[in-house]
Amino acid sequence: GAVVSQHPSRVICKSGTSVKIECRSLDFQATTMFWYRQFPKQSLMLMATSNEGSKATYEQGVEKDKFLINHASLTLSTLTVTSAHPEDSSFYICSAGLAGGNEQYFGPGTRLTVT
Amino acid sequence: DAKTTQPNSMESNEEEPVHLPCNHSTISGTDYIHWYRQLPSQGPEYVIHGLTSNVNNRMASLAIAEDRKSSTLILHRATLRDAAVYYCIPNRGTYKYIFGTGTRLKVLA
Repeated sequence: GAVVSQHPSRVICKSGTSVKIECRSLDFQATTMFWYRQFPKQSLMLMATSNEGSKATYEQGVEKDKFLINHASLTLSTLTVTSAHPEDSSFYICSAGLAGGNEQYFGPGTRLTVT
Repeated sequence: DAKTTQPNSMESNEEEPVHLPCNHSTISGTDYIHWYRQLPSQGPEYVIHGLTSNVNNRMASLAIAEDRKSSTLILHRATLRDAAVYYCIPNRGTYKYIFGTGTRLKVLA
């Protein structure tokens, strides 16, 4: 089956620094990837849609200058949390869909802790 | 996007069948009904999806109401590994998913 990986699986960073999270589709090409954020005991919240070769589309209320998304190839999208603060601590999950398919495949998630 | 209503939580005994309901009364005619589950500290896992007819796979069965306003995910024999949060998501193919609150399934040994 289609596999999506994320790196790192967990990261701790100091307040004010930036951290990059990678999302890769390992055995298929993904023109579109999605980034979600999940706080404890809550559901996944869609942050943005990442399109290969073009600018990401952000959901209402998500700061595009804080959460930088780059989708430079058909198998890689990155999310950079800039000037991270403790309130950005969360579980970040990406997903990718097979072209012409009907389901999305999710990565294992990245646990970000900002101290 | 179609809104969904699911029970917050359900319990089942191990080895017994589980029926997880989902109401999606505002679903559009072209939306597929997807089901995913999420184990603690993991990304969601695909379970099954369907459009109009009932569907079966190795993990579960999906029963879709004739008017498509509701569906039921059926786990034929629950195991402890099936304890998770189950989400139903009406969606048009790979268009962005909007997650509801889901149903937390607890399986009792």
